Amino acid sequence: NAGVTQTPKFRVLKTGQSMTLLCAQDMNHEYMYWYRQDPGMGLRLIHYSVGEGTTAKGEVPDGYNVSRLKKQNFLLGLESAAPSQTSVYFCASSYRLGLAGGHSYYEQYFGPGTRLTVT
Amino acid sequence: SQQGEEDPQALSIQEGENATMNCSYKTSINNLQWYRQNSGRGLVHLILIRSNEREKHSGRLRVTLDTSKKSSSLLITASRAADTASYFCATDPYNQGGKLIFGQGTELSVKP
Repeated sequence: NAGVTQTPKFRVLKTGQSMTLLCAQDMNHEYMYWYRQDPGMGLRLIHYSVGEGTTAKGEVPDGYNVSRLKKQNFLLGLESAAPSQTSVYFCASSYRLGLAGGHSYYEQYFGPGTRLTVT
Repeated sequence: SQQGEEDPQALSIQEGENATMNCSYKTSINNLQWYRQNSGRGLVHLILIRSNEREKHSGRLRVTLDTSKKSSSLLITASRAADTASYFCATDPYNQGGKLIFGQGTELSVKP
């Protein structure tokens, strides 16, 4: 199992350019997430998906779009990159660990990250 | 806004010492998880504690949860240089469908 993989690992963009980050998982997980990590800010959720064909906004969705056409892939798009989008981007997937007391429990598996610089 | 706040932001200890990191959060949770991130890598899940549990152990890790104070702590006993990493708490709020809210992390440095 490769787990969660991300493509590319590094990228430099100029302001206004567009790009797509690809996340792939081979664990048959239903849930997938995109985060950005900035110094002193921890991880912030951009968008997530609870299944093939579904997407939802997270905490910081502006400037990003996502698609989940296949269960194993989750794409993050930047239509017009801005310097404020310079960050490290992490993809994660999760499955339901179990159900207890009417509540489900999830554990997330992370990819290695994509370091994006927008100049 | 971030749910979890971690304390301290950075911690430096000698090998063999214990390391304690704390996490506070704001809303009711389903469970709380701790993750580890080595420099330049993705996060790795360490341990999960449910809202009805008070303490949990896994190897050299001990996690406590106090829901009345909305706080958790992670203790790493007999630390090793290889434990050097950033540690994040993540809360799983009720009815959020598996979304986690991460704290800002504690950067742990264990000197040999």
